[in-house]
Amino acid sequence: AQSVTQLDSQVPVFEEAPVELRCNYSSSVSVYLFWYVQYPNQGLQLLLKYLSGSTLVESINGFEAEFNKSQTSFHLRKPSVHISDTAEYFCVGGSMNAGNMLTFGGGTRLMVKP
Amino acid sequence: EAQVTQNPRYLITVTGKKLTVTCSQNMNHEYMSWYRQDPGLGLRQIYYSMNVEVTDKGDVPEGYKVSRKEKRNFPLILESPSPNQTSLYFCASSAISGGASDTQYFGPGTRLTVL
Repeated sequence: AQSVTQLDSQVPVFEEAPVELRCNYSSSVSVYLFWYVQYPNQGLQLLLKYLSGSTLVESINGFEAEFNKSQTSFHLRKPSVHISDTAEYFCVGGSMNAGNMLTFGGGTRLMVKP
Repeated sequence: EAQVTQNPRYLITVTGKKLTVTCSQNMNHEYMSWYRQDPGLGLRQIYYSMNVEVTDKGDVPEGYKVSRKEKRNFPLILESPSPNQTSLYFCASSAISGGASDTQYFGPGTRLTVL
C-alpha cells in the first residue's frame, strides 16, 4: 500500500526567507506526486505535479519540487516566501496500481511571519 | 466559471438526524469523490464515482452513502450521523476516470458538527 508522510506539521518562517516542506512516499510502482495548497477557509488547489520526465517541477508562484526516486522524496521549496504563502500544504501520491485513489499526507502548515 | 460547489458550507446537527450534503460540478467531469479532513490525518477518501451509476468505497466509507444519478451531482448522505463524523468534508472532481495522474478540483468544503 502506498503511504505519504509529511515530516513537519508546522513550519514557521520569516518573510523573504527560504523554506522547504518535506515529503516522503513509499511505493513499489510508478508514482504520480502532487502538492496541493489550502488557503484559509478554502478548498485545495493544485500547486504542482510530477507525472514523468524532468524530476524538477515548478509552479507559477515560485515554488518548486524535485522528485528523488532514490530517497523516495518530493520536497517542496521556495527561495523567498511571502506573507501570502501562509497556508496548509498537502503532499499527495497516486499510483498506477491504485486506480484513481490518492493518498494524502497529513499536511504542513506554513506560517510566514513579517 | 469552472467550479465545484457544495451545500451547505456549515451544518450543525444532532446524532441520528439524516442529512445530505450536495456537490455539483460544471466541468463535465466523469470522476467525483468525497473526502473528509481531520487534523493531522490529511484527507481521507470516503467514496468515489467513475461515472453515472458507478460508485465505490474509499478508505473510510462506514456511515456514509452516495449516489450518482446525474454526471454533475454527487450527494453525500449520512443516514444516522454520529459525533465521530464531525469533520470538514470536501467534494472533488477530475476529468479522467481511472487515472491517478489527473488534477483534482475541490469544492470549498462543508464543516459538519454532530452533537
